[in-house]
This record gives sequence, C-alpha cells and structure tokens, in this order.
Amino acid sequence: QKEVEQDPGPLSVPEGAIVSLNCTYSNSAFQYFMWYRQYSRKGPELLMYTYSSGNKEDGRFTAQVDKSSKYISLFIRDSQPSDSATYLCAMGLTGGGNKLTFGTGTQLKVEL
Amino acid sequence: DTAVSQTPKYLVTQMGNDKSIKCEQNLGHDTMYWYKQDSKKFLKIMFSYNNKELIINETVPNRFSPKSPDKAHLNLHINSLELGDSAVYFCASSQDVAAAPYEQYFGPGTRLTVT
Repeated sequence: QKEVEQDPGPLSVPEGAIVSLNCTYSNSAFQYFMWYRQYSRKGPELLMYTYSSGNKEDGRFTAQVDKSSKYISLFIRDSQPSDSATYLCAMGLTGGGNKLTFGTGTQLKVEL
Repeated sequence: DTAVSQTPKYLVTQMGNDKSIKCEQNLGHDTMYWYKQDSKKFLKIMFSYNNKELIINETVPNRFSPKSPDKAHLNLHINSLELGDSAVYFCASSQDVAAAPYEQYFGPGTRLTVT
C-alpha cells in the first residue's frame, strides 16, 4: 500500500462544473500538503500549499486538509478547459527537509 | 528564461547502454532533485543534493549515479540500461533544505525509452 493514495481517474467534467480531487494518506506525521498541476508533456508546477489542517483559497481553487481523517481535497470552481491536466498531491514532514511524497495523480479533463 | 532545463528532452537507447541526463537551474537555488515518473504518473524522488552534497538517496539501483559539479547543475548517469528504466525523469530545484518543505520547481522532463 502506498503512503499516499489518489484516484487516478480519468475524471471528465463539463466546463463550469465544480471539481473535487482527493488524496488519502497513512502517515500521520505529514504536516505540509501541496497540490501540483502537470500539463501533458510538462513538469509539475505548484498550485496550492497548506500547513496542517484547514482550508486555503486562491481564486477558483480551494485546498482542504482534514488531518483527523488523513484526507486532503482540492476543489476547482467554474472549471475551464485550461484546467485539463493531471493533479498530483504531495506531502512533507516537519524536519523532513524538502523530501515530498507524491500521490499517483488524477487526470482531469474539462470539456466544452 | 528557462528556470530549470534538462537535456536531452527525449532519449531512445538500447538495453545495456550507458547514458547521461543533464540539468541546470538559474534560480539561485541550493537544492536540486531527480525524480522518476512511471507510466502511471507516479512521481518518486531518487536523489537530492544541497550545495553539491548528497542529502537524499532513495532505494535506487547502483546503476544510477548523480553528480553535482556545482549547485546550479545536477546530472544523472545511468549504467547498463534496462527496460524497466523507461520513464520520464524530472529534475527539480528549491531553496535550502529547511524544517518545512519549499516549493520545488520542475524541469520539462527527459523521456527515456529503453528498447
């Protein structure tokens, strides 16, 4: 069993839909939670970064962390075709330096 | 200006060959990484260097050897290539190792195909 689990999709939604992407993890020591977006044939780029439990909002994107359930989510409001990409969750430890543990990624397609 | 660059972008080679992938970053970061992404998009760290010093060395075959000539460059040499080495290899960089992870900036990837 991987430390971080993510539904690989693909997930296909119509333009304007609200998208929910999720990860579960087993290591309760994780404190730092990130979402990276990866377009086809490109490197991942950081989308959201949160520390411990709670919500963080940035434009159409909201990241939620529920440490008690070991569950994190990324919500995308008013999804656009340009949001079509693979979304990777990543987690880090306090004192763990810059080592990140990634989920397997969820492929999202937003259709016109 | 490309922040993290890798060469080559594509690499097709036969089993048993030795090959190298080069990475350069112009962000002034002190920490660089090599990741392997398999066909299912699973991204796994292989190595990390901080100021030319190896700080993360995951369970990777000895055939893989990273080299950091200076803090802006991190190369990956692979000996005796095997079919299972086929993947996309990403270089990344970030600010100094710290108590909390910093944002990592990824290169465009090198797609390695071993035949």
